[in-house]
Amino acid sequence: DAGVIQSPRHEVTEMGQEVTLRCKPISGHDYLFWYRQTMMRGLELLIYFNNNVPIDDSGMPEDRFSAKMPNASFSTLKIQPSEPRDSAVYFCASSPSGRYYNEQFFGPGTRLTVL
Amino acid sequence: KNEVEQSPQNLTAQEGEFITINCSYSVGISALHWLQQHPGGGIVSLFMLSSGKKKHGRLIATINIQEKHSSLHITASHPRDSAVYICAVTLTGTASKLTFGTGTRLQVTL
Repeated sequence: DAGVIQSPRHEVTEMGQEVTLRCKPISGHDYLFWYRQTMMRGLELLIYFNNNVPIDDSGMPEDRFSAKMPNASFSTLKIQPSEPRDSAVYFCASSPSGRYYNEQFFGPGTRLTVL
Repeated sequence: KNEVEQSPQNLTAQEGEFITINCSYSVGISALHWLQQHPGGGIVSLFMLSSGKKKHGRLIATINIQEKHSSLHITASHPRDSAVYICAVTLTGTASKLTFGTGTRLQVTL
């Protein structure tokens, strides 16, 4: 398996533009997580899905952020409009079900810079 | 106060040294995870444990549930072990949702 795939790997955009980050989880994994990593705050969970359904979005910073999972093999995280403080590395991770808690497998991350 | 605290924040060691990184948590957990993040940025899960001890190669992770404390040990450290090590916990009742420590930056020199 190729592991968790994220695209793009790097994104540079201007303030006010819409940004869409993409994630393909490992086939067969039922959980998908979106994280943000910054120097100031470290790793933070933004939202996670189980069987394509959003379970907990309490970490989504504000209404400018939205996430979707239209099917088991694809998820997007969208920021509209983007702001410089959104600059961070965004990670997607997936994990299998079958237990109450499971090891998570992380993608390579998308480094977002908002100018 | 963070729910997950790590120490030290930074650690420099010479090749061959035995290294210990500590993690304390203040909440009920289902599991504790140790993650490794290399300078390139990728994150890899090293261990997931809910009791006792696990070993993988030169890495050993232990957890004491009563004391709410875990340690990650690296024996015979090597420069390739240089990375950020992150402790994370699955809070009781949150099914797979991770809460992270701030990480320990380890540098192993020749």
